[in-house]
Amino acid sequence: KQEVTQIPAALSVPEGENLVLNCSFTDSAIYNLQWFRQDPGKGLTSLLLIQSSQREQTSGRLNASLDKSSGRSTLYIAASQPGDSATYLCAVKGGSYIPTFGRGTSLIVHP
Amino acid sequence: ETGVTQSPTHLIKTRGQQVTLRCSSQSGHNTVSWYQQALGQGPQFIFQYYREEENGRGNFPPRFSGLQFPNYSSELNVNALELDDSALYLCATRASSGKEQETQYFGPGTRLLVL
Repeated sequence: KQEVTQIPAALSVPEGENLVLNCSFTDSAIYNLQWFRQDPGKGLTSLLLIQSSQREQTSGRLNASLDKSSGRSTLYIAASQPGDSATYLCAVKGGSYIPTFGRGTSLIVHP
Repeated sequence: ETGVTQSPTHLIKTRGQQVTLRCSSQSGHNTVSWYQQALGQGPQFIFQYYREEENGRGNFPPRFSGLQFPNYSSELNVNALELDDSALYLCATRASSGKEQETQYFGPGTRLLVL
């Protein structure tokens, strides 16, 4: 059974810092890995999708990497802004195509 | 904002009651998935529908059931509600083919409280 762990659970930083959020998974036989953002009480917004054959994806200030052999992915946020405050979730999709989510990292960026 | 809407936004029920949650699909998306997200947890996959048929199910009991309609809107029905069913229920839709098929578009969710 796939298990997904996200560290840290919570993070509070001043504006402008570069951040690294971590996601680890126990079964390396994955189809893809996706990072999402969730604002309080709201649905999820897809940020980056990395296929199993890829090493990283970039979108604006966000960069996500994938190391299947070690069962790890990182989400890098450059020059953080207060508007980045949200919960960040990673989801791993395996052979069954059913995604397994981590519990998320709750991020607060203060001015 | 995605084109996926859910109703109602909030709901309060008592144990043993039944509830129906609704989701309207983004245009052109014929696949819908439902998730349960308890407070402080990640979403848990309940089931997926494609062309009105269930084609994937997570570890949820049969009292969780669904429907998908010809216009691709869908319902999640939960019978014999239990206190632990209190959660945010999310639906997500996607295309079944083409470049966009990997990306799910989530609705805002329905917050269910069972007393």
